[in-house]
Amino acid sequence: QSALTQPASVSGSPGQSITISCTGTSSDVGGYKYVSWYQQHPGKVPKLMIYDVSNRPSGVSNRFSGSKSGNTASLTISGLQAEDEADYYCSSFTSGSTRVFGPGTKVTVL
Amino acid sequence: EVQLVQSRAEVKKPGESLKISCKGSGYSFTNYWIGWVRQMPGKGLEWMGIIYPGDSDTRYSPAFQGQVSISVDKSIGTAYLQWSSLEASDTAMYYCARQGYSGYEFNYWGQGTLVTVSS
Repeated sequence: QSALTQPASVSGSPGQSITISCTGTSSDVGGYKYVSWYQQHPGKVPKLMIYDVSNRPSGVSNRFSGSKSGNTASLTISGLQAEDEADYYCSSFTSGSTRVFGPGTKVTVL
Repeated sequence: EVQLVQSRAEVKKPGESLKISCKGSGYSFTNYWIGWVRQMPGKGLEWMGIIYPGDSDTRYSPAFQGQVSISVDKSIGTAYLQWSSLEASDTAMYYCARQGYSGYEFNYWGQGTLVTVSS
C-alpha cells in the first residue's frame, strides 16, 4: 500500500489541460522538494518527466509541468496529445531517506 | 551514453534463490546511486531500495527490508538484487535505475528483468 495517493484515472480531450495530484504527508511530499514524476506506456520502461517538483529533464516537452503546495504535488499536462495516454507515477523522498512511489494514474485521451 | 543492462528473464520454483544483475556503463559507476523498482503484473511501481556503489551504503524500503538484498561489485560496474528463498508473490518485472540530476530521482532505467516464480 502506497504512502502517496493519486487519482486512479484522469481523462481529457486533445488540446485540453489535465492535472494529476499526488498527496502525501509532511514526512514525504510536504517535507522536501524532491518530488518526481514518471510516465510509463504499456509494456515500456518508465520515463522521468519532472524532478525536484518542477524541473524538466532535457528532451521532455514543456507541455509537462510540476508544482507543489503543502503535502500535495501536481503534474499538469497542457495541450493534451494522444501520445500522452499512459500511466503516471509520482515519487517522493521520505524522512527515512528512502523514496516512495504513488499508486499511479491512468491518463486517457478521449 | 549511459546504459543500464539487466540480466535475462528468469523462471524459478518457490524456495529457490536468485540473483539478478544490472550493469552500468557510460558513466562513473561509483558516483551515482542505483536503485531497484518492482512492478507486479498489471500493478504500479514499487521502490525497493538503493545502493551507492562507492561505499555500498544501502537503503531499503520498509516493505522490502529483510526480503531482498542489494549489493554491488564496483570492479565490474554491476549492481545486484538477490533473494534467498523466492515466493510466488515475487513474480514481477524488476527494473534497476540510476540516480539523476539531484540524486532523488531516476533518470536512467534498465530494460527490466522478468522474474517468474511458479511450481
